[in-house]
Formats: sequence, C-alpha cells, structure tokens
Amino acid sequence: DGGITQSPKYLFRKEGQNVTLSCEQNLNHDAMYWYRQDPGQGLRLIYYSQIVNDFQKGDIAEGYSVSREKKESFPLTVTSAQKNPTAFYLCASSGRKLFFGSGTQLSVL
Amino acid sequence: DQQVKQNSPSLSVQEGRISILNCDYTNSMFDYFLWYKKYPAEGPTFLISISSIKDKNEDGRFTVFLNKSAKHLSLHIVPSQPGDSAVYFCAASARSTDSWGKLQFGAGTQVVVTP
Repeated sequence: DGGITQSPKYLFRKEGQNVTLSCEQNLNHDAMYWYRQDPGQGLRLIYYSQIVNDFQKGDIAEGYSVSREKKESFPLTVTSAQKNPTAFYLCASSGRKLFFGSGTQLSVL
Repeated sequence: DQQVKQNSPSLSVQEGRISILNCDYTNSMFDYFLWYKKYPAEGPTFLISISSIKDKNEDGRFTVFLNKSAKHLSLHIVPSQPGDSAVYFCAASARSTDSWGKLQFGAGTQVVVTP
C-alpha cells in the first residue's frame, strides 16, 4: 500500500559525525519535504524539493544537506555543522495533500 | 517570528463534550489552512482543511471555522472521544507560492479527553 517510509526509527549521532536519514515514497508525488520537530514546538521546514535534481532551502537549512536523484527518494544528511541536531525529523510528500512519514528520532551521544 | 500561533498548549475535556482549539496567524498571504493530529513518535495525520474563500468546513465530528478579518481559525470536535487525545497542529500555507506544501505550523495543543 502507498505511503512514506522513513528509516531508521531511532538514530544516534556522535560528535563530529554526519548521519543520513532515509525517506522513500511510493505515492508518485513530485514534491517532498523535510521538517523538524522540537519538544513543545511546531514543525519547521528544513528543505524541500519540487522535482528530481532540484531542491530549495526551507526556514532552518543550516547544518543540513539533501539530494533528490530519484523521484521516490529524498535523503537528509545532518552534518557536523548542525550544533543542535537532537529532534524528531519528519519527511513528507504532497500531491493535493501533505502526507507525512512516521518520523526519525535523532539523538546525540 | 512565528506566523502561526496556538496559544493554548493543552486542553482537557470530558468525553462527549465539545473540544475547541484555537489558532491565530499573522501573514495575510496565507490562503489555505489545515489541522493535523499527531500521536507520540508518529507522523502527523491530516484532519481537515479550509480555503480562505470559505468560513466553515465540516467533516463528521470535526468543523473548522475561519475568521479572515481576525486572522483566526478554530477547530471544533463534537462529541469528543477518548481516541481524540493527541496533539493537534494548526498549519497555514500560501498556495500562490512556489510550493503550497511549505506549511507554517503552530506549536500544537495537547488534547486530553477524560471519561
């Protein structure tokens, strides 16, 4: 059945390490998004992509990077430059509505 | 600066009664508004939306009201059920922008429905 798959569910990052969060969708959506949720706060947009091989920065892109080589996939890399990476990361895709994956909880060791 | 605000972090309501969640926005370019429901450690699920050309949209137990002049919207849940206990996010979008999926979210309201 169609949906958005995020992996892993939980991820731990050591200081100075880059980590990559996976997001795959089989909804045939052109547009994909990465949001971050911190406790007690709303979701904030990190990056988005409207089409393959193209992406734009959202409101909080510093310390993150993305790629969009395939329509189905939109991985997010949290680089060592992101000084406060602990958060719940949500991937989404949109046709006429915005659908979210189940999220990845990233924590720092 | 936060363009979408949910000023009530929590709401407790008895089962069978009405839940009213409020949301205010500041950006007059927003023309599409959504409510999402979220359980812990899960992604948000779409609940209901409203376009700025309407002032009310109803879907079963859920009704969203929009007051454009006040830049205010509200979600009514009638009657409230225990399964409605979750965090509810208000979100807004300017569909005229390059990607309407670029939503601005409020901080959320935790709803607890008690027996």
